[in-house]
Amino acid sequence: QKEVEQNSGPLSVPEGAIASLNCTYSDRGSQSFFWYRQYSGKSPELIMFIYSNGDKEDGRFTAQLNKASQYVSLLIRDSQPSDSATYLCAVKGNQFYFGTGTSLTVIP
Amino acid sequence: SQTIHQWPATLVQPVGSPLSLECTVEGTSNPNLYWYRQAAGRGLQLLFYSVGIGQISSEVPQNLSASRPQDRQFILSSKKLLLSDSGFYLCAWSPGVGELFFGEGSRLTVL
Repeated sequence: QKEVEQNSGPLSVPEGAIASLNCTYSDRGSQSFFWYRQYSGKSPELIMFIYSNGDKEDGRFTAQLNKASQYVSLLIRDSQPSDSATYLCAVKGNQFYFGTGTSLTVIP
Repeated sequence: SQTIHQWPATLVQPVGSPLSLECTVEGTSNPNLYWYRQAAGRGLQLLFYSVGIGQISSEVPQNLSASRPQDRQFILSSKKLLLSDSGFYLCAWSPGVGELFFGEGSRLTVL
């Protein structure tokens, strides 16, 4: 059983703060790691992917990967109310497997 | 650019009725195709995936089936719906190596 674990939240941060979302996975063979944002009632939207250990930055988003610890995280800097959504972590070995998501609320 | 569409967006069906959800990808060839289900308050469950025409793999035993009659078309079906089949159904595609992209989703309510 391939498992991807996320804290379901809800996570609340004030506007302008840094939101930190975490994810652990069980399959050491996982090769690719993704973060999706899902607004209520909508389909998931890819916002970040990371393949190598370390950090990857894209605008206000930073993905961090530590394969030895089987841990991947997403940092959202200068959080905005529009960032309020559920964030899904996904890992890919031979297939894509998803966590249950962390609900983020950014308070104006 | 590549696009993915699925329909219908919303449907309400009685228990025991059939189901057909359709998904089409444009702008790419030989994509890997997937059907996921997301029940209320739960994560994404992989139902079926396909690496080519007529090639379908099922992740979990269930009341559903999938078919891929054309390279860029993926269909999810059921002969008789159960209450537990209610959920948000998502079609997705991947180029094989790299990211997974989702369609708009189909929300099914079985009454």
